[in-house]
Amino acid sequence: DTGVSQNPRHKITKRGQNVTFRCDPISEHNRLYWYRQTLGQGPEFLTYFQNEAQLEKSRLLSDRFSAERPKGSFSTLEIQRTEQGDSAMYLCASSSPRDDLLFGPGTRLTVT
Amino acid sequence: GESVGLHLPTLSVQEGDNSIINCAYSNSASDYFIWYKQESGKGPQFIIDIRSNMDKRQGQRVTVLLNKTVKHLSLQIAATQPGDSAVYFCAENMAGSARQLTFGSGTQLTVLP
Repeated sequence: DTGVSQNPRHKITKRGQNVTFRCDPISEHNRLYWYRQTLGQGPEFLTYFQNEAQLEKSRLLSDRFSAERPKGSFSTLEIQRTEQGDSAMYLCASSSPRDDLLFGPGTRLTVT
Repeated sequence: GESVGLHLPTLSVQEGDNSIINCAYSNSASDYFIWYKQESGKGPQFIIDIRSNMDKRQGQRVTVLLNKTVKHLSLQIAATQPGDSAVYFCAENMAGSARQLTFGSGTQLTVLP
């Protein structure tokens, strides 16, 4: 297990299209987080899973965003009807209850 | 607005000198603080953390200082190396919020040869 992985690393899409990102956490981590980072800013919390349960959602997560972690392992983040303001780096992180977050490399989304 | 912020957006230091990166926070309910390093095109990398019941914590070449009286956090990097060039973020975690971190906007550290 080499760490948190995210796919794709880059995604360019046209406004109005749907996109889906995948995160594979460290296998023994039961907590999984999604953050969003815009250029020059720190990451902002979006949502958090403990196993398959989505326990927290930020106000930033509009109705067009949905995240799942169906089997408590990998997670997907879908954005429907993308807008230019959705352009950002989407970061996934995982942890065990006693450990710190380990971040993946992120998926950079560009909405044209 | 953000509860964590940074005093300086950029910092340039000579190789071998010590670096000090500062951070101010405003949420008195935060009990856990972390410094992350982020290189271009990569996700944030954990550097060091400190809990609110401590004032100082040392790692390898790094020291974090916490001043709860003035709500100030700093990261000291000893003998700064070219590989330390990156953006540094402080982040805070409010008690009981399961690592929902609030990040500041970052400081770009550039190490000059």
